[in-house]
Amino acid sequence: QKEVEQNSGPLSVPEGAIASLNCTYSDRGSQSFFWYRQYSGKSPELIMFIYSNGDKEDGRFTAQLNKASQYVSLLIRDSQPSDSATYLCAVNGDNQGGKLIFGQGTELSVKP
Amino acid sequence: KAGVTQTPRYLIKTRGQQVTLSCSPISGHRSVSWYQQTPGQGLQFLFEYFSETQRNKGNFPGRFSGRQFSNSRSEMNVSTLELGDSALYLCASSHSTGLEQYFGPGTRLTVT
Repeated sequence: QKEVEQNSGPLSVPEGAIASLNCTYSDRGSQSFFWYRQYSGKSPELIMFIYSNGDKEDGRFTAQLNKASQYVSLLIRDSQPSDSATYLCAVNGDNQGGKLIFGQGTELSVKP
Repeated sequence: KAGVTQTPRYLIKTRGQQVTLSCSPISGHRSVSWYQQTPGQGLQFLFEYFSETQRNKGNFPGRFSGRQFSNSRSEMNVSTLELGDSALYLCASSHSTGLEQYFGPGTRLTVT
């Protein structure tokens, strides 16, 4: 069983719509969760992190965490073509310091 | 504040050779993590260094090693290169917790 799972996509949404990206993880001891955006040919960029159950909003991005269901999601409101990228979910295990476990990523395409 | 820098950006090596990659973290960051990214395996954790000590290690063979200097700069070394070592090698820096990690541009290694 993969430790962090994401739908590979591609996920296609029209410009202005809400894009919903999902991630599940297997280690119930995981405490910290991250979303990275990676444009083709570039390195991952940290866009959101969440440590507590519930929602965390930052501009057009909302991260949602449900530890009981071992589920974390990223919502992108008012999607723009510039949001087209691969979104990587990462999980940090309990007491694992700087070790992040990444999902395979979901490719998002925002159509004008 | 300057971001994470990695040198060299591109490298071509022959099987059996060894290679050393360098990473300079964001000023004030003391944790450096290294990752390998390939199309098939995605982003995989290699190891993390904090205060010149390896704090975490991934599931890679002993051919992969690293170190960290007193100024937090880090190097990773791969000995006896194999074709399968061709990948994008990314380093990421963070504060002491090792959690919110910021990636450098990566070193693209090609082994022929």
